[in-house]
Amino acid sequence: GAVVSQHPSRVICKSGTSVKIECRSLDFQATTMFWYRQFPKQSLMLMATSNEGSKATYEQGVEKDKFLINHASLTLSTLTVTSAHPEDSSFYICSARSRSGGAYYNEQFFGPGTRLTVL
Amino acid sequence: QKEVEQDPGPLSVPEGAIVSLNCTYSNSAFQYFMWYRQYSRKGPELLMYTYSSGNKEDGRFTAQVDKSSKYISLFIRDSQPSDSATYLCAIYNNAGNMLTFGGGTRLMVKP
Repeated sequence: GAVVSQHPSRVICKSGTSVKIECRSLDFQATTMFWYRQFPKQSLMLMATSNEGSKATYEQGVEKDKFLINHASLTLSTLTVTSAHPEDSSFYICSARSRSGGAYYNEQFFGPGTRLTVL
Repeated sequence: QKEVEQDPGPLSVPEGAIVSLNCTYSNSAFQYFMWYRQYSRKGPELLMYTYSSGNKEDGRFTAQVDKSSKYISLFIRDSQPSDSATYLCAIYNNAGNMLTFGGGTRLMVKP
C-alpha cells in the first residue's frame, strides 16, 4: 500500500503553547486528507476533512480556531493545535486518499500517528 | 444507535484458532467495506477492502459481507501471536465521502 508519514511521532509541550503536526503522502497525490483523534482504547474520531487548496470541513464539536488545518499541496497537510491544554493530549492520526486515479484510487491510507502530551 | 457497531472485546484465543470478528451497520447506503488492523500506538493498516456481498480471501484473512443483514465479518485462520492487535471495521459511503469506523475489537492470540 501507499505510505503516509507523520512528523513528529511524539511531542510533549507545555500548556498554552502551539504544536504543529505534519502529514505527508509519500508516493501518491492526496486530494483529500483527514485528521483523526484517538483516545486510549477507543476508536478513531474524525476531526476534519481537507481537500487540497480548500478550507477544511470540521466535524461537529471540533473547534476550528483551536485545530488549524492547512492542506497547501497534494502531498502535505498540517494540523496545528493552538494554545494546547492537557485535555488536548491524545493520539492524532492523519489519513490520505487519492481520488485522481492510479493504483491507489479511492483507498484511504493512514499515517503512524502523533502522540501529543500537554503538561 | 451508532452507524457501525462492533464488539470491543477483548477477544482472547489460542494460537492456531480461527478468529471471527464482526460488525453491524445501519445505513443501507454504505457501499465499501474495509477492515483495518491497528497495533498499539500505531496508525491503522488496511487489511481488506470489498464492496460487494460475498467473500473475499487474502491469505489467512477472509472478509465477508452480507448486505441484506447489514453484517460484515473478518475471519482469521491459523491465528498467530503477531495477529494480536485491534481490528477496526470501516464503512465508506461514497455520497458521504468519509469512512465511518466501528469501535474496534481488541484481539489477543496467546502462544
